[in-house]
Amino acid sequence: GENVEQHPSTLSVQEGDSAVIKCTYSDSASNYFPWYKQELGKRPQLIIDIRSNVGEKKDQRIAVTLNKTAKHFSLHITETQPEDSAVYFCAARGAGSYQLTFGKGTKLSVIP
Amino acid sequence: EAEVAQSPRYKITEKSQAVAFWCDPISGHATLYWYRQILGQGPELLVQFQDESVVDDSQLPKDRFSAERLKGVDSTLKIQPAELGDSAMYLCASSLGTAEAFFGQGTRLTVV
Repeated sequence: GENVEQHPSTLSVQEGDSAVIKCTYSDSASNYFPWYKQELGKRPQLIIDIRSNVGEKKDQRIAVTLNKTAKHFSLHITETQPEDSAVYFCAARGAGSYQLTFGKGTKLSVIP
Repeated sequence: EAEVAQSPRYKITEKSQAVAFWCDPISGHATLYWYRQILGQGPELLVQFQDESVVDDSQLPKDRFSAERLKGVDSTLKIQPAELGDSAMYLCASSLGTAEAFFGQGTRLTVV
């Protein structure tokens, strides 16, 4: 089955700096890559996603890049704010299976 | 805004007892997932339904866990008997085909 590795496990940045979280996946047939943000005690919520026919997608301060050849994708958050502090999970979905496999998460702390 | 409903929000049970969780997905979502999330880790898939059929239960400990979605709408996850190591957050999610998955608030299970 699919295996998703996520790095780093913790990340601390100063407010206003950028944060980058990286994930790799094992199944070359995977075609959908969402990113979820989970605040303490709350449900994971989708913040951005990308499909395999696109190399990059941006939504205001958040962007995701995908390298299909290397089987890795990254989340980029610019101009970080204290409210960006949360745990971020990447995930990958295999073609035709709908199964969504998650990484172990990155705890992002934005220091004011 | 439509949401995935889960109940109960919190459950404390003694080991060896039976426990059940309920999930009502967003209307029209054929795909339903049950995930287990241990504190500090990413969600791990337990079982995935497509309508009323199980499409993946390879990670479900079938000696003690069972799941059903009889009419292809709401779903129940049961543990019998519960063990101390089952303490975790149980998350239900649903999706429409290959679109994004929406999570419920989860059930926090504590086994004592």
